[in-house]
Amino acid sequence: EVQVVQSGAEVKKPGESLKISCKTSAYSFTTYWIGWVRQFPGKGLEWMGIIYPGDSDTRYSPPFQGQVTISVDTSINTAYLQWNSLKASDTAMYYCARGVGVNVVRYFDIWGQGTMVTVSS
Amino acid sequence: QSVLTQPPSVSAAPGQKVTISCSGSPSNIGNNYVSWYQQLPGTAPKLLIYDDNKRPSGIPDRFSGSRSGTSATLDITGLQTGDEADYYCAAWDSSLYLGGAFGTGTKVTVL
Repeated sequence: EVQVVQSGAEVKKPGESLKISCKTSAYSFTTYWIGWVRQFPGKGLEWMGIIYPGDSDTRYSPPFQGQVTISVDTSINTAYLQWNSLKASDTAMYYCARGVGVNVVRYFDIWGQGTMVTVSS
Repeated sequence: QSVLTQPPSVSAAPGQKVTISCSGSPSNIGNNYVSWYQQLPGTAPKLLIYDDNKRPSGIPDRFSGSRSGTSATLDITGLQTGDEADYYCAAWDSSLYLGGAFGTGTKVTVL
């Protein structure tokens, strides 16, 4: 069974760094995209960015460019979302999802359970 | 601010039909496939429709999608209480950004 499992909830202070993970299994990791999606409590889904593990082609949505870093480790079929200096406004639920498509992501078919990130002093 | 616009809410009685619209532009819906996602309260989104009108295995045929021009539509017929959720469209955008976007989301309420 194809699975996408995210790391657990995090509580951090402003200015701290953080790297959350998205571990996949039971499919060819390098032939599907991985996308990251932000959701503030009670709000809609926001497309943050995507990465193609096969060649590390990474594309960020303009609001997130320079704010986060998306990466992968193909040796352990895992994708990451990283912040160098968290802000209180980064408090949100973050989802990763498997993306299907060639050169473009046509849809996300398998979603992780979400990682809640809370940033508070 | 999303480039794909949906109505904030729609509602209908059990057994009835609801239609959710998703309005975009030539760079996204006008030239790329649309997908739809259902998010039940407190859960992760789930793929409902892909490539405009295809259903993944296990999605009942009460859910159907279509695309025309720069708009797309999700229809839910035979509405059930378990359909009460948030629904999002999504599409790739072929503009300078070269990425995707989700719609603003629609809350479906079963009266």
